[in-house]
Amino acid sequence: DGGITQSPKYLFRKEGQNVTLSCEQNLNHDAMYWYRQDPGQGLRLIYYSQIVNDFQKGDIAEGYSVSREKKESFPLTVTSAQKNPTAFYLCASSIFPAAGGPRAKNIQYFGAGTRLSVL
Amino acid sequence: SQELEQSPQSLIVQEGKNLTINCTSSKTLYGLYWYKQKYGEGLIFLMMLQKGGEEKSHEKITAKLDEKKQQSSLHITASQPSHAGIYLCGAPNAGNMLTFGGGTRLMVKP
Repeated sequence: DGGITQSPKYLFRKEGQNVTLSCEQNLNHDAMYWYRQDPGQGLRLIYYSQIVNDFQKGDIAEGYSVSREKKESFPLTVTSAQKNPTAFYLCASSIFPAAGGPRAKNIQYFGAGTRLSVL
Repeated sequence: SQELEQSPQSLIVQEGKNLTINCTSSKTLYGLYWYKQKYGEGLIFLMMLQKGGEEKSHEKITAKLDEKKQQSSLHITASQPSHAGIYLCGAPNAGNMLTFGGGTRLMVKP
C-alpha cells in the first residue's frame, strides 16, 4: 500500500541525548514536511523539503535538524539543544505544485506520528 | 504571520444532531484545507476549497469558503460516533505552506 510510515510510534529521550525520528514515503512525492503538535494545539512547521538534498527551516526549527538524501526519506533529529522536546511529531508529504501560488492544490498526506517524551 | 482561529474549541453533540465548526483567518484566505485527526494519530485529508463561495461535500460533511469574511465552515449533518475526533483547518500562505488552526474536538454521544 502507498503511504507514509513514521517510526517509532513512541520514543523516549534522555537529557543531553539526540534522537532521530524516521519518515519514509512511497507516494513518489517531491515535498516532505515535519510538524510538531503540542496538546490542545495545532501543528507547527519545523522543516520542509521540496527536493532531494535541499530543505528549508519552518517556524520552529531551533533544536532540530533534518536531511534529505533520498526522495523517499526525510529523517528528523531532535538535538539536545531542544529543551522542550515532548510533543507529537507528524511527517507529511505532497506533490508540491510547480506553479499557481497558494491557490494551487497542495494536499499534504500525513503519517501516523511519533510521540516523543523526555525521561 | 497568519493565524487561524477555530470555534468552538470543543463540542459534544448527541448522535443524529447537526453541527458546525468555524475557521477564521487573520489574513486573506487563498484557500482552505480541512483535516480530521483521531486521537494520537495522523491527519486525514477531508477536502480543499480553492476559491470564495466554493462549497464541497463528502458523505455527510459539507465545507464552505467565504473569502470576504476570511472564514470557512464545516458542517456535519446527522452526526454519528464515527465523526468523533479533532477537526483542523489549514490555510496556505503565499509560499503555499500551511498554517493550521488549533483544532476542534468533537465528541458524539450515542
